[in-house]
Amino acid sequence: SQTIHQWPATLVQPVGSPLSLECTVEGTSNPNLYWYRQAAGRGLQLLFYSVGIGQISSEVPQNLSASRPQDRQFILSSKKLLLSDSGFYLCAWSVSLRVRPFFGPGTRLTVL
Amino acid sequence: GQQLNQSPQSMFIQEGEDVSMNCTSSSIFNTWLWYKQDPGEGPVLLIALYKAGELTSNGRLTAQFGITRKDSFLNISASIPSDVGIYFCAGQRGVRETSGSRLTFGEGTQLTVNP
Repeated sequence: SQTIHQWPATLVQPVGSPLSLECTVEGTSNPNLYWYRQAAGRGLQLLFYSVGIGQISSEVPQNLSASRPQDRQFILSSKKLLLSDSGFYLCAWSVSLRVRPFFGPGTRLTVL
Repeated sequence: GQQLNQSPQSMFIQEGEDVSMNCTSSSIFNTWLWYKQDPGEGPVLLIALYKAGELTSNGRLTAQFGITRKDSFLNISASIPSDVGIYFCAGQRGVRETSGSRLTFGEGTQLTVNP
């Protein structure tokens, strides 16, 4: 069976510091991978998605970037965090032909 | 861009009551999904709808894909305390393998069930 992992689970970072959130998927090959942000427990906003290694599509302009160095690894990064980057970050995966994204447990990021 | 209007924003009900929530859009979607999110966790898929007019049940949950393809509703019958959480609808216009699957989410319905 497939599983999706995210870490860390929670993170508190100062403004201006770098960020690296990691997501890995097990039990499947060539998944579509996604990063979502959720503010105040409502409304998921798609940030990035990837259909393959090295292929990243950005949905909204922002202070964040994403990378996919391996088939089942998806990384969300920032060089300098802003207060507005605080939120709940969710990684998700899906197979390519059907829409059924499965979400990871999320990372709660607080920028102070 | 595409937007989904989900209502109500929140509901406070007594255990045993039935619940209904819906999503509407100004755009046509070819897929509707309903998710539930517990506090501090990722959303979990409840029901997926792929055809206009489709009515699908999952235990006490029933969801329908509107005929116009611009709306969907979710019903929960005989609510229990563990139904508490945020329910999200999500729509997708189409699936193309080269572009990947993408969803537009509603803002969520916060459900509180009083025992």
